[in-house]
This record gives sequence, structure tokens and C-alpha cells, in this order.
Amino acid sequence: EAQVTQNPRYLITVTGKKLTVTCSQNMNHEYMSWYRQDPGLGLRQIYYSMNVEVTDKGDVPEGYKVSRKEKRNFPLILESPSPNQTSLYFCASRARGNTEAFFGQGTRLTVV
Amino acid sequence: GQQLNQSPQSMFIQEGEDVSMNCTSSSIFNTWLWYKQEPGEGPVLLIALYKAGELTSNGRLTAQFGITRKDSFLNISASIPSDVGIYFCAAPVLDNYGQNFVFGPGTRLSVLP
Repeated sequence: EAQVTQNPRYLITVTGKKLTVTCSQNMNHEYMSWYRQDPGLGLRQIYYSMNVEVTDKGDVPEGYKVSRKEKRNFPLILESPSPNQTSLYFCASRARGNTEAFFGQGTRLTVV
Repeated sequence: GQQLNQSPQSMFIQEGEDVSMNCTSSSIFNTWLWYKQEPGEGPVLLIALYKAGELTSNGRLTAQFGITRKDSFLNISASIPSDVGIYFCAAPVLDNYGQNFVFGPGTRLSVLP
């Protein structure tokens, strides 16, 4: 089954404790993105990647890092999480030239 | 950056009613997308529009690409409880590598039985 898989689905952590949210897709898509969703603000892009080893900042990259060492994986790294990073995070992938993005089920992160 | 606006922000309707929502921008786009996010899930593409004036249907859903290319509309006929969710519009923006997408803030739909 074609899918985008994020882990974990839920995470509560403390300020400053490094964490990684994983994202994996099995559709051989070139393009992958991370979004955060906050009430009233919709989906804001954090980082995106056009292919292996090619990444760029989205609209709200501060406090986040990403890597794209393999085509299928695009982890989101929070080196020192802060409470304002409490949010619902989505990973998405898309084939080059296609408009349809496939989203994971989301990761709800709470930083206390 | 380019911004999309959606209205209404939220709406409560009775089951069986028709629904209309829109997405506007000050920029011109050559593609409009409509996604639906159900509770606890990620967004899923409903309809894609590629031509000004285009009207496309997907079951009870109909979307239109505005003539000015600065807006798009989504209509849902005879709403049912499973229509509940957040509806996002999205449009492509050029980035350093090709094409990226920007999303609107969403319209939250609640259907009352």
C-alpha cells in the first residue's frame, strides 16, 4: 500500500531535549516536505527536499533541521525543542511533475 | 511570500444542506488544489484544477478555477456527517528548484444531524 509513515504519532517532551520525528515514503517520490499545523494558521511549510541531499527552508524553518540521505526518508530534527514548537506536524511526499501530495497521519508534539 | 485566504473560517450546517467556500489570493496561479483533512488524519487531495474557468466534480463536490486566476471555489451538495473536516486550498509557487505549494488556513466544516 502506498503510504507516508510518520513516527511517533504522539510525543510529549521537555524543553531542550533533542528529538527526531521520522518520515518514510514507499512511493519513490522525489519531493518531500514537513509542515506544522496550528489553529487558524493552516499548514506552514518548515523544510522541503527536492531529492537526495537537496533541501531548502520553507516558511518557518527556525528551530528545525532536516536531512535527506536516502530517497525514502526525511527526518525532522529538533535540536533544542521549545514550548512554541508544540504543534501538529505532517510529512508529505510528491512525485516530480505531479501536483498531488500524499500526507502522513501526523505527529502531535507537546513541549513542556 | 504568497498567501492564500479562505472563507469562511468555520461553518456549522445541517445535514442535507449545500456548502460553499472559497479561496482567494492577490497573486495569479495556474493550478488550484483542494484538500480535505478528516479528524486525526493527514490531508487528502479532493480536486485539482488546471485551467481558468474550469469546473470539476468529484461526487458531491464541485470546484471551480476562477476566471481571474486569483480565486477558487468549492461546493458540497447535500452534506452528510462524513463531510466533517478541514478543507484546505493550495496553489503552486516557484522556488529555487522547481515548484512548491502554499496552503490556505482552511475552512472547518461541522455537519449537524
